[in-house]
Amino acid sequence: RKEVEQDPGPFNVPEGATVAFNCTYSNSASQSFFWYRQDCRKEPKLLMSVYSSGNEDGRFTAQLNRASQYISLLIRDSKLSDSATYLCVVNSYTNAGKSTFGDGTTLTVKP
Amino acid sequence: DVKVTQSSRYLVKRTGEKVFLECVQDMDHENMFWYRQDPGLGLRLIYFSYDVKMKEKGDIPEGYSVSREKKERFSLILESASTNQTSMYLCASSLGGGRPQETQYFGPGTRLLVL
Repeated sequence: RKEVEQDPGPFNVPEGATVAFNCTYSNSASQSFFWYRQDCRKEPKLLMSVYSSGNEDGRFTAQLNRASQYISLLIRDSKLSDSATYLCVVNSYTNAGKSTFGDGTTLTVKP
Repeated sequence: DVKVTQSSRYLVKRTGEKVFLECVQDMDHENMFWYRQDPGLGLRLIYFSYDVKMKEKGDIPEGYSVSREKKERFSLILESASTNQTSMYLCASSLGGGRPQETQYFGPGTRLLVL
């Protein structure tokens, strides 16, 4: 079983839709959580960190459930430009500075 | 803004050639990483360095070596390129110090084709 698991999708949604991605992690020592975005043929870039209390950045909301060991990303009012692969990333003290990346969930927003 | 640059965006090499991929970061980061990314396999860590001249094997180090002689530069070497090393290679850096809340910054990637 992979340490970080994501539904690969693809998720195909119309513009304006709300879409949610989940990610589960198996290492209970995990300390920090992030969502990265990767556009086609480009490098991954940090989208947002995920805090215990949940956090919002415009149309994007990230939540963490430590008890069930999953994080989520909600995108409201989807735009065409949101089409990308979203990577779930988990860090822990036991990993000595390395990050564990999920394989990503692909989102396509259609007109 | 952190800038991570990689020496080539696209590279075509022949089987058996020695290949050097270079990565430079300009933010005095302690940690540097080399990954490869293949469809359906996600990002896989090849090597990791947490200081000059220090290196640690990642998940798939076989067939690769690395060099970190200066803090800002981390090189990935394919000693004898093989067709199964055709891939997208991504370099990343992070601040260091073992803080779990730190994030990684990626270079634009090198698409390597081995014929």
